[in-house]
Amino acid sequence: EIVLTQSPDFQSVTPKEKVTITCRASQRIGTSLHWYQQKPDQSPKLLIRYASQSFSGVPSRFSGSGSGTEFTLTIDSLEVEDAATYYCHQTSTLPLTFGGGTKVEIK
Amino acid sequence: EAQLVESGGGQVQPGRSLRLSCAASGFSFSDYGMFWVRQAPGKGLEWVASISRNSGSLGYADSVKGRFIISRDNAKNTLYLQMNSLRTEDTALYYCAKTGMVGATRGAFDIWGQGTKVTVSA
Repeated sequence: EIVLTQSPDFQSVTPKEKVTITCRASQRIGTSLHWYQQKPDQSPKLLIRYASQSFSGVPSRFSGSGSGTEFTLTIDSLEVEDAATYYCHQTSTLPLTFGGGTKVEIK
Repeated sequence: EAQLVESGGGQVQPGRSLRLSCAASGFSFSDYGMFWVRQAPGKGLEWVASISRNSGSLGYADSVKGRFIISRDNAKNTLYLQMNSLRTEDTALYYCAKTGMVGATRGAFDIWGQGTKVTVSA
């Protein structure tokens, strides 16, 4: 099983600040890594697919990078509405796995 | 607009069965792989099962293998999850989701339902 380790687990951030979330895979997965945003009492929403491809309708302040075993989600200039938990997800190999999540709180 | 709507959740005793449904609309259901993902209270996301567009390829998490069965009816645009021998640790919000690529059985999940709650308790 491919284990995805996200860091940090929690981040308290001031609006307009830059946020960087890391996801490390226990094995190489190419670019089969996706990022989701989940707000309280809502279902997850796709932000970035295949490491760096922005999903339709996602604000341009969200971007992704990486390949192999290390991946990054960046939020440039955080907005209040970005308070949420962010998950990485690999679809390279079964079982499909998710990272443990990174909760972003607004200071 | 593509939409997934889950139903069938509820409270059930350990050892009993439950069948979840996921009604799809706004897209060509038979073209896409489909998935079940669950989220225990206060916890992260866990992939449960996958099914290819023609039901020829199935996949299960070890935690549910031998107990849960994923299926689909393309004529009814509906995905199912038959859950047998339920355990307390199966308590979760169950989401259905679709892959974003036609014909793919993996890939990013671009559309998610709102979830249906399953509680397994004596």
